[in-house]
Amino acid sequence: DSGVTQTPKHLITATGQRVTLRCSPRSGDLSVYWYQQSLDQGLQFLIQYYNGEERAKGNILERFSAQQFPDLHSELNLSSLELGDSALYFCASSLDRGEQYFGPGTRLTVT
Amino acid sequence: ELKVEQNPLFLSMQEGKNYTIYCNYSTTSDRLYWYRQDPGKSLESLFVLLSNGAVKQEGRLMASLDTKARLSTLHITAAVHDLSATYFCAVGGSQGNLIFGKGTKLSVKP
Repeated sequence: DSGVTQTPKHLITATGQRVTLRCSPRSGDLSVYWYQQSLDQGLQFLIQYYNGEERAKGNILERFSAQQFPDLHSELNLSSLELGDSALYFCASSLDRGEQYFGPGTRLTVT
Repeated sequence: ELKVEQNPLFLSMQEGKNYTIYCNYSTTSDRLYWYRQDPGKSLESLFVLLSNGAVKQEGRLMASLDTKARLSTLHITAAVHDLSATYFCAVGGSQGNLIFGKGTKLSVKP
């Protein structure tokens, strides 16, 4: 158990819908990272927050957004969902730029 | 743009044999990580390599880093079935994010 929690574990929704994925980092970690894992794209970095502020952006679509709240938990919002958004979404946390610890992931299925 | 290449992508081994997974990366980085992933599960951190010549060992796995060659290796000694998983190397990007290789799916057969 890495200490990073993610909810929900599984999510099934229809195209065009919007969903929110939630992540709570390890106690004391200030950085939260979101990654997407799909069969065709592999593991891709989406976005990073540090202590409430956006720090880095990767291959994140405009339909996706994220935020980190004062209690340091983070949410990833995915809207206008398409079939191709079906993937495993991981959250990871770290103290700063150090070792990242991954949560159990949220499996999103878009039908 | 930082790119990470792993090979092989698939590896079928017999129990008791040795093998090496290679990870090449395209630009300088000060951090390299190896992760293990079981099917449908999260990523488990195996090794963190921070300096040229770093070597770390845990059980039947040993990882090394050559920053001049931009190469890391994960060596498997006397493989056992429990090592069957997908292994990823990842390199630290300038912003702290990780750039992953495509992963090596290892299958150890009796």
